[in-house]
Amino acid sequence: QVQLQQSGPGLVKPSQTLSLTCAISGDSVSSNSATWTWLRQSPSRGLEWLGRTYYRSKWYNDYAVSVNSRITINPDTSKNHFSLQLNSVTPEDTAVYYCAREEEYFDYWGQGTLVTVSS
Amino acid sequence: QAVLTQPSSLSASPGASASLTCTLRSDINVGTYRIYWYQQKPGSPPQYLLRYKSDSDKQQGSGVPSRFSGSKDASANAGILLISGLQSEDEADYYCVIWHISAWVFGGGTKLTVL
Repeated sequence: QVQLQQSGPGLVKPSQTLSLTCAISGDSVSSNSATWTWLRQSPSRGLEWLGRTYYRSKWYNDYAVSVNSRITINPDTSKNHFSLQLNSVTPEDTAVYYCAREEEYFDYWGQGTLVTVSS
Repeated sequence: QAVLTQPSSLSASPGASASLTCTLRSDINVGTYRIYWYQQKPGSPPQYLLRYKSDSDKQQGSGVPSRFSGSKDASANAGILLISGLQSEDEADYYCVIWHISAWVFGGGTKLTVL
């Protein structure tokens, strides 16, 4: 059974960097069939896919256009987890952030982390 | 104009059927897309229900009852999630999703009330 456990701060100051980690159990971040994804959900923006990392003989990343200049998703094979960094946050980045596994569709999700951007 | 448009809310009675629509932007042809449907209940992440492209290209999520089914209305350029024999536990938010220009795109969601 795959489980995803999110960790990271729930409060970030404007202009700073939002950092979250998603620990994987029951699968590998280096899987050749899965992609490892970050999404977020807010009342104003709804559900929004942010980006993903995946391994297919080498590492790839895809990012949403809306956050492309500010986002980094990194795998960590030694810890079997992947992380999200979102730079230069504003109050509009306030949302519940989810990590998820995708094998054609999102089949396993983290528990969600409410991140509030406020001074 | 949003890529995917869903009605914000829908109400139906227990035992009845509910048809949830997901209309694609006019420049995107519903026939070329697999449409994925998710159900979300308060305090939980979305859960995969099914995907539908055509009767020969469809998939039911593991453990998802057969009373959840997908279809399309090509004339309306829309995907449809049909829920038959509504139960109180079906009260939730429902989202349609497509893979579009190298990104997953979500509809705004429909809040289904069963009363």
